[in-house]
Amino acid sequence: QKEVEQDPGPLSVPEGAIVSLNCTYSNSAFQYFMWYRQYSRKGPELLMYTYSSGNKEDGRFTAQVDKSSKYISLFIRDSQPSDSATYLCAMSGGGRRALTFGSGTRLQVQP
Amino acid sequence: GAVVSQHPSRVICKSGTSVKIECRSLDFQATTMFWYRQFPKQSLMLMATSNEGSKATYEQGVEKDKFLINHASLTLSTLTVTSAHPEDSSFYICSARDSSTPEQYFGPGTRLTVT
Repeated sequence: QKEVEQDPGPLSVPEGAIVSLNCTYSNSAFQYFMWYRQYSRKGPELLMYTYSSGNKEDGRFTAQVDKSSKYISLFIRDSQPSDSATYLCAMSGGGRRALTFGSGTRLQVQP
Repeated sequence: GAVVSQHPSRVICKSGTSVKIECRSLDFQATTMFWYRQFPKQSLMLMATSNEGSKATYEQGVEKDKFLINHASLTLSTLTVTSAHPEDSSFYICSARDSSTPEQYFGPGTRLTVT
């Protein structure tokens, strides 16, 4: 079993929809949680960073972390075609400097 | 967010030659840099972690003599693919972080094609 599980999709939604992306993990030592967006043939771009449990909002994006359930989410409101990309969750902690990534969810927002 | 550059963005080389890829942090001091490899439609695979002035730590299965990593300054790390072969063709991405936060910032990637 992978340390971080993420549904690969693709997830197709109409423009304006609310998108929910999720990851589950097994390592209870993880305490830093990030979401990256990656366009095709580009490097990942950091969208959100959350420490421990809780919510964080930035514009149309909201990140949630539930450490008791080992479950993290990224919500995108009023989705746009330009949001079409692969979204990667990543986490670290427990003395490990490197990030452990999910496999990525490919999102398609249809105009 | 912090900016990381990577050069070249694309390189084509002949089998048996060596290729060097540079990764630079432009507006912060990168105490730690990471090198990843990514195949089409797959997630990032960590190759190695390097700290400035120290030897890199390679992940299991990654040949340290083939993928030479140098992190000589707080803003520059290089990855040299030695005696490249067609199976080394891939998308190579670096990331960097400073010592105060866990966030990693990624470069734009380098597409290597070995013919």
